[in-house]
Amino acid sequence: NAGVTQTPKFQVLKTGQSMTLQCAQDMNHEYMSWYRQDPGMGLRLIHYSVGAGITDQGEVPNGYNVSRSTTEDFPLRLLSAAPSQTSVYFCASSYFPPSTGRSSSYNSPLHFGNGTRLTVT
Amino acid sequence: KQEVTQIPAALSVPEGENLVLNCSFTDSAIYNLQWFRQDPGKGLTSLLLIQSSQREQTSGRLNASLDKSSGRSTLYIAASQPGDSATYLCAVLSGSARQLTFGSGTQLTVLP
Repeated sequence: NAGVTQTPKFQVLKTGQSMTLQCAQDMNHEYMSWYRQDPGMGLRLIHYSVGAGITDQGEVPNGYNVSRSTTEDFPLRLLSAAPSQTSVYFCASSYFPPSTGRSSSYNSPLHFGNGTRLTVT
Repeated sequence: KQEVTQIPAALSVPEGENLVLNCSFTDSAIYNLQWFRQDPGKGLTSLLLIQSSQREQTSGRLNASLDKSSGRSTLYIAASQPGDSATYLCAVLSGSARQLTFGSGTQLTVLP
């Protein structure tokens, strides 16, 4: 059971380049999400998905795209990298989406990948 | 907008000491509160989750309490060990969008 797997671990991009950060989970989790972690700002939600074919924006979605064609995979695409996107990116999943309003969804902890450290020059 | 604060930002204690980490939040209408541990260069590991109807949760040497009315949670670590050295983050699930809001964390160092 690998949990949440993120690739690559490190990436350096030049301004204007595009790339895709990969995220896969093998726990049959409905909910998947992407966060960025910046010093002094905590983790901020970029995009999330409550199931295959369903995605929505989080707090800081600009400059990023996502899709969810399968339950297992939730890639994050940077369309045109900017230095402000230099950060550590984390993918996280949980069994139930918190937005369902079911009581069980409030007892569903998040599982995180090990992160991708991205530098944009 | 929900805001989560963790004080202190860093804490250093000798091995064997019992310690308390603090988390406060501005909007008491939460669904749950989670405590995470983050080791350098790693992702977050969920330690404890307290639902809004609960007052505390325990796991081994860890005990987390929740006081919704005052907007506070504490993480109690008993008999601290060097292996407990990490950054501890709390997060609250709240709002109509039911999203997690994270604190900036407390960096704990347990000295042997």
